Amino acid sequence: DAGVTQSPTHLIKTRGQQVTLRCSPKSGHDTVSWYQQALGQGPQFIFQYYEEEERQRGNFPDRFSGHQFPNYSSELNVNALLLGDSALYLCASTRSGNTIYFGEGSWLTVV
Amino acid sequence: AQRVTQPEKLLSVFKGAPVELKCNYSYSGSPELFWYVQYSRQRLQLLLRHISRESIKGFTADLNKGETSFHLKKPFAQEEDSAMYYCALSDQGGSEKLVFGKGTKLTVNP
Repeated sequence: DAGVTQSPTHLIKTRGQQVTLRCSPKSGHDTVSWYQQALGQGPQFIFQYYEEEERQRGNFPDRFSGHQFPNYSSELNVNALLLGDSALYLCASTRSGNTIYFGEGSWLTVV
Repeated sequence: AQRVTQPEKLLSVFKGAPVELKCNYSYSGSPELFWYVQYSRQRLQLLLRHISRESIKGFTADLNKGETSFHLKKPFAQEEDSAMYYCALSDQGGSEKLVFGKGTKLTVNP
């Protein structure tokens, strides 16, 4: 089992552009959450998907949106990128209150 | 509001010395508390959770509801314990949303 996998590993975007990050959950997991981790900070919850619907959302603007597919994989989309969106984006998966597993993350740099 | 505070950004100890990483929380309810660890170039992984009351890699943490604390302790630190440690909480209702502290970087010197 590869665990939670994320792509791409690193990417650089220009202000105003849009980005899509992808996540495949650990085998058997049906709930996917996304976190943003700025440099020197702990991860901050963006939103969570379960049964292809957004179940919870953190304090992030509507520029941040997501999707979950029938195979439980998920995408995080960020529109109109700002310099402040530069961060490590972590995907986490779980099933029914069990241990939450994290991916290695996608490093986004906005220039 | 839910908040997790880790007052020490950096903590340095010598091998064999006791180590305590502090964590205080603010939560209106009964949270579940966790410690996550991130070793160099590795992903964030669960170290322990208070409901399991396990000791992992020699680390223990006791939930003190009166002091709203969940400090992580190890009696004898090892060099391989050097890592970034994050305290986190979630709602016991199983929302599976984690609120993290800013983390403490532990360095164990030989």
